[in-house]
Amino acid sequence: EAGVAQSPRYKIIEKRQSVAFWCNPISGHATLYWYQQILGQGPKLLIQFQNNGVVDDSQLPKDRFSAERLKGVDSTLKIQPAKLEDSAVYLCASSLKPGPSSGQYFGPGTRLTVT
Amino acid sequence: QKEVEQNSGPLSVPEGAIASLNCTYSDRGSQSFFWYRQYSGKSPELIMSIYSNGDKEDGRFTAQLNKASQYVSLLIRDSQPSDSATYLCAVKSDYKLSFGAGTTVTVRA
Repeated sequence: EAGVAQSPRYKIIEKRQSVAFWCNPISGHATLYWYQQILGQGPKLLIQFQNNGVVDDSQLPKDRFSAERLKGVDSTLKIQPAKLEDSAVYLCASSLKPGPSSGQYFGPGTRLTVT
Repeated sequence: QKEVEQNSGPLSVPEGAIASLNCTYSDRGSQSFFWYRQYSGKSPELIMSIYSNGDKEDGRFTAQLNKASQYVSLLIRDSQPSDSATYLCAVKSDYKLSFGAGTTVTVRA
């Protein structure tokens, strides 16, 4: 079974530029998550999708971050404009369902450096 | 108060010993508890899940849950150098998964 796919793996941009990340979840997984992991910290949930609807985006900085999941499969996360503090690893994860017993499986992540 | 707290470590154990990792959480209504392993430069990997009080064993790993004390732990028996990693405790409440900052474990040969 193929895992969660993400691209690009690395990205370096200057502050105020824009960037987009792509995620393809495990086949059949209805729930998709985007996390931000800053060095030395645990992952922080940015947004959770159930199929193509948003379940939780309470920690998404909506003035600069946006995400979509068209057709309930692939998802993109965009940052515009980027700030220095956005330097982090952006992790996509998926689970079969959103319930309490469903574990989440992570993709390899995109390491973003904002200079 | 952080939702999920872990000792940051590093925790250094000799090869073959037991590594004991602890985690406390603030939301008494939390329903599910997970341990993830994260190697340096890699993404988190799910290694254990536990939902009810008591112990759950899987190979060399044992997860322990005490909901009354809001405490979950992970024991790694017969520690191997390949167990050297950061271990993240994650707690699910209302479908939201919250992570601790992780405990770094180093197994010395």
